[in-house]
Amino acid sequence: AQSVTQPDIHITVSEGASLELRCNYSYGATPYLFWYVQSPGQGLQLLLKYFSGDTLVQGIKGFEAEFKRSQSSFNLRKPSVHWSDAAEYFCAVGAPNNNDMRFGAGTRLTVKP
Amino acid sequence: NAGVMQNPRHLVRRRGQEARLRCSPMKGHSHVYWYRQLPEEGLKFMVYLQKENIIDESGMPKERFSAEFPKEGPSILRIQQVVRGDSAAYFCASSLAPGPGVNSPLHFGNGTRLTVT
Repeated sequence: AQSVTQPDIHITVSEGASLELRCNYSYGATPYLFWYVQSPGQGLQLLLKYFSGDTLVQGIKGFEAEFKRSQSSFNLRKPSVHWSDAAEYFCAVGAPNNNDMRFGAGTRLTVKP
Repeated sequence: NAGVMQNPRHLVRRRGQEARLRCSPMKGHSHVYWYRQLPEEGLKFMVYLQKENIIDESGMPKERFSAEFPKEGPSILRIQQVVRGDSAAYFCASSLAPGPGVNSPLHFGNGTRLTVT
């Protein structure tokens, strides 16, 4: 079965600085990969997804992620962080014909003024 | 165009009581998923349902937990005889087609936060 690891539990960046959140997955074939964001007390909002094709995917709110098969990674990036980006970010991995989408434990992002 | 609606937002139950969590999927979606989120953890898959059918309940505890998605009305996650360990946020998601897939991403509700006292 697929699994996903987010090595960083908590990250703090200054507003305007660049951001990279790490995600490593385990799956035998090409996985479906997702990044979700969760604001306090809210549900999860899909930022972006990768199924196939171009390994650099663009999402909403200025986020992008790059699928690197050799590193089994799908890191999320943003060139300039805004205070409103403070939230919990979840990486998830799914597989074709499999309903069990696995989530990482999440990375909490704090943005300093 | 309403999203996935869950109610109640917060639910407090004493040990031994029953908890019923409701989820109305997005309009046109007939696939519903329930996830549980414990503090400091990611979401754990519980069950996947289509209208009137349980498709995959591999993540559901064998006892006290049940789910349904009737022909009419919302999907219900029921927890009988709740214990303190059931305290968590329960999220429902829906999709247009069996997900996750290219054209069927999961859309999440805002969750129900269950507290067992």
